[in-house]
Amino acid sequence: QKEVEQNSGPLSVPEGAIASLNCTYSDRGSQSFFWYRQYSGKSPELIMFIYSNGDKEDGRFTAQLNKASQYVSLLIRDSQPSDSATYLCAVRDSNYQLIWGAGTKLIIKP
Amino acid sequence: ETGVTQTPRHLVMGMTNKKSLKCEQHLGHNAMYWYKQSAKKPLELMFVYNFKEQTENNSVPSRFSPECPNSSHLFLHLHTLQPEDSALYLCASSHEPPGQGAGELFFGEGSRLTVL
Repeated sequence: QKEVEQNSGPLSVPEGAIASLNCTYSDRGSQSFFWYRQYSGKSPELIMFIYSNGDKEDGRFTAQLNKASQYVSLLIRDSQPSDSATYLCAVRDSNYQLIWGAGTKLIIKP
Repeated sequence: ETGVTQTPRHLVMGMTNKKSLKCEQHLGHNAMYWYKQSAKKPLELMFVYNFKEQTENNSVPSRFSPECPNSSHLFLHLHTLQPEDSALYLCASSHEPPGQGAGELFFGEGSRLTVL
């Protein structure tokens, strides 16, 4: 059973600090990695994807991928209260199936 | 109308009722999906359609019956459901065929189903 694991949280971070969200996956052959944000009562929306080892930056967001250790993380710099949401990690595995984590709830405290 | 629209947003039904969830996408995509989202659990893929043809059925009980009359519309027909079927049902679409591309799914805001 291929799995994607996330700490359910809640993860509480002061406004202006860096929020770090982590995700581990079991299928070593996984190729593509995605972060979706889901506000309470709303639908998930894609915010970042990464294919290669290393860092990928987009504004205040940085995705980090380490295939050897089988983890992917999302860093949010200068956290804002509007970043409070549940962050879903999704991994496209070696069979091209999209496997989802259960999500981490992030709370940014003013 | 933009994006992916789902109706109804909330539905309460008894175990003997028959109801349907509707999804419509205005993005010109050819792939559509039904997902089940339960509290503190990963999204569960239920059905996948590509160009109106069902390409995946993830061992979903027959009390859930999908229908895709065209690339823009997707239905989920419900009958004789169980209380454990209570969840948020999300419809999504993608530009790329299932299993390919950047993996960007565009989700509707879901239908919150409660089975009494």
